[in-house]
Amino acid sequence: RKEVEQDPGPFNVPEGATVAFNCTYSNSASQSFFWYRQDCRKEPKLLMSVYSSGNEDGRFTAQLNRASQYISLLIRDSKLSDSATYLCVVNDFNAFSPRGGADGLTFGKGTHLIIQP
Amino acid sequence: DAGVTQSPTHLIKTRGQQVTLRCSPISGHKSVSWYQQVLGQGPQFIFQYYEKEERGRGNFPDRFSARQFPNYSSELNVNALLLGDSALYLCASTSTDFLYGYTFGSGTRLTVV
Repeated sequence: RKEVEQDPGPFNVPEGATVAFNCTYSNSASQSFFWYRQDCRKEPKLLMSVYSSGNEDGRFTAQLNRASQYISLLIRDSKLSDSATYLCVVNDFNAFSPRGGADGLTFGKGTHLIIQP
Repeated sequence: DAGVTQSPTHLIKTRGQQVTLRCSPISGHKSVSWYQQVLGQGPQFIFQYYEKEERGRGNFPDRFSARQFPNYSSELNVNALLLGDSALYLCASTSTDFLYGYTFGSGTRLTVV
């Protein structure tokens, strides 16, 4: 069974602080990796893709360690608007499946972040 | 440009009934996938369609079925509804390369009573 594990939190962090999220995934054949953000009662929205070389988008930095099957997200100078649930997501595209296609996205349960003023 | 659109936004059904949920992908996207999200959990994969063919199926009973139309829109059908089917049903579209991020619609919130 393919699994993505995250600390559910909640993480209560003062505004301006740096916060780090981690997740692990079980399928070593996973192809691509993402962090999504989900606000209460809304749909998940793509925050950033995650590459082995690491990637940065403004205050957000994501890192992938394929050997350890570990994904991280760092948020610097946190804002009140960063309060949300952060979902670690793995794409298990399987080129060798009978249908030669997708096994869908596997989501972690999400980490709830609360930024306090 | 319109994003992923889903209808209806909310739905209340009774146990044993059948429901059909609809999704239109982003213009130019040929792949649509469906996810179920219950409260406090991450979304769970149900189906993926590409070019009107089923390309992936999650661990859901046969009561769940879907199809994709020539215009790449999709329907998710659930028969013999159970209380446990109450959830947010999300549709996502992606470009031909499954490896890139998926864009989600705002979902259909289904309540089974």
